[in-house]
Amino acid sequence: GAVVSQHPSWVICKSGTSVKIECRSLDFQATTMFWYRQFPKQSLMLMATSNEGSKATYEQGVEKDKFLINHASLTLSTLTVTSAHPEDSSFYICSGRTSGNSYEQYFGPGTRLTVT
Amino acid sequence: GQQLNQSPQSMFIQEGEDVSMNCTSSSIFNTWLWYKQEPGEGPVLLIALYKAGELTSNGRLTAQFGITRKDSFLNISASIPSDVGIYFCAGRSEGAQKLVFGQGTRLTINP
Repeated sequence: GAVVSQHPSWVICKSGTSVKIECRSLDFQATTMFWYRQFPKQSLMLMATSNEGSKATYEQGVEKDKFLINHASLTLSTLTVTSAHPEDSSFYICSGRTSGNSYEQYFGPGTRLTVT
Repeated sequence: GQQLNQSPQSMFIQEGEDVSMNCTSSSIFNTWLWYKQEPGEGPVLLIALYKAGELTSNGRLTAQFGITRKDSFLNISASIPSDVGIYFCAGRSEGAQKLVFGQGTRLTINP
């Protein structure tokens, strides 16, 4: 299957600071990338969908000014958590969709964010 | 948000047993995907299904796209310890970009 990487794999930051998470599709071009958030023992919650070169589409209830998404190229998307607070602590996972008629979506390994 | 109904929520089985889990939806899907997630990792795609009635295998795993297009199941034969994890189904309706996920089935295997 296709490979998606995320960096960093974990990060601890102080309340009020901003954190950037990178998501890269290593062996395919992802015209569409997705950002998810996952709480312990729960399913994945979609935060936003981004198409390369376009503004991201955010799910209801997700603050676009707090979770800034940039999809500048077919292989890179970034999520910046601005002015992070402890309630933003979570497991963030990105995903890239392959192009073509078959729909396959591959996930990165996730980033554990802890805000102190 | 919208979710699929995935069952069972958890399973405790003996090594060597077969496993079956399923997902149902109130709406029609064009694509069904099955993922496995281990602690601290992202989900890994196991099987993708694109046609109603399609039956696809990946080693000891077999998944089917229901005829009604509103359900799918995943079977694991002769379970082994490394099968432990959380299995998620995901569906996509026609024209949609995003997937809808089930709540997950947590599989625990007693050696």
